Amino acid sequence: GDSVTQMEGPVTLSEEACLTINCTYTATGYPSLFWYVQYPGEGLQLLLKATKADDKGSNKGFEATYRKETTSFHLEKGSVQVSDSAVYFCALSGTGGFKTIFGAGTRLFVKA
Amino acid sequence: KAGVTQTPRYLIKTRGQQVTLSCSPISGHRSVSWYQQTPGQGLQFLFEYFSETQRNKGNFPGRFSGRQFSNSRSEMNVSTLELGDSALYLCASSLTQENTEAFFGQGTRLTVV
Repeated sequence: GDSVTQMEGPVTLSEEACLTINCTYTATGYPSLFWYVQYPGEGLQLLLKATKADDKGSNKGFEATYRKETTSFHLEKGSVQVSDSAVYFCALSGTGGFKTIFGAGTRLFVKA
Repeated sequence: KAGVTQTPRYLIKTRGQQVTLSCSPISGHRSVSWYQQTPGQGLQFLFEYFSETQRNKGNFPGRFSGRQFSNSRSEMNVSTLELGDSALYLCASSLTQENTEAFFGQGTRLTVV
């Protein structure tokens, strides 16, 4: 079945460091891909999305490119801030199963 | 417009009891999904409703059930609670079933003692 695999955390970075969180997926058809972020004590919020191959989603300095050839959707940010500390979830939807499938989540800690 | 509203935010129940959680989706959204989030298992899909019909169900025992009303509001029920049911239960709504992002509520934190 469809699945999402993302790198295990936690990831600990210093402020202004570069961030990459790897995400790969297995899906039939052509899913839409998403990154969600969960801040402490809150639900998930959509961070960015891409709906077709080679699309780049971007928001708040984060970006990810839908790579069909490598079935990947890696999350990147050039300079992280302490406020970026959260759990990040890669997800896919729209493959006919009518539900969003999430990766296990990657916790990010950013130190001042 | 108002976001997804889940009530209550926190709940403490005793083993063996039952519990009902409520979710009001964003106005106009017809698809509601429920997820269980625990530190050990991550985010696990419970079920999804669209137009009052359950369209998908995850791998949870029959103690977990849900329903959706004509106004798209949804409830989930857990009977005969077990300690392992302690988790954050998240509800998400979508405009339609396919290819649209999910909007999440803040969740209901259930503690079973």
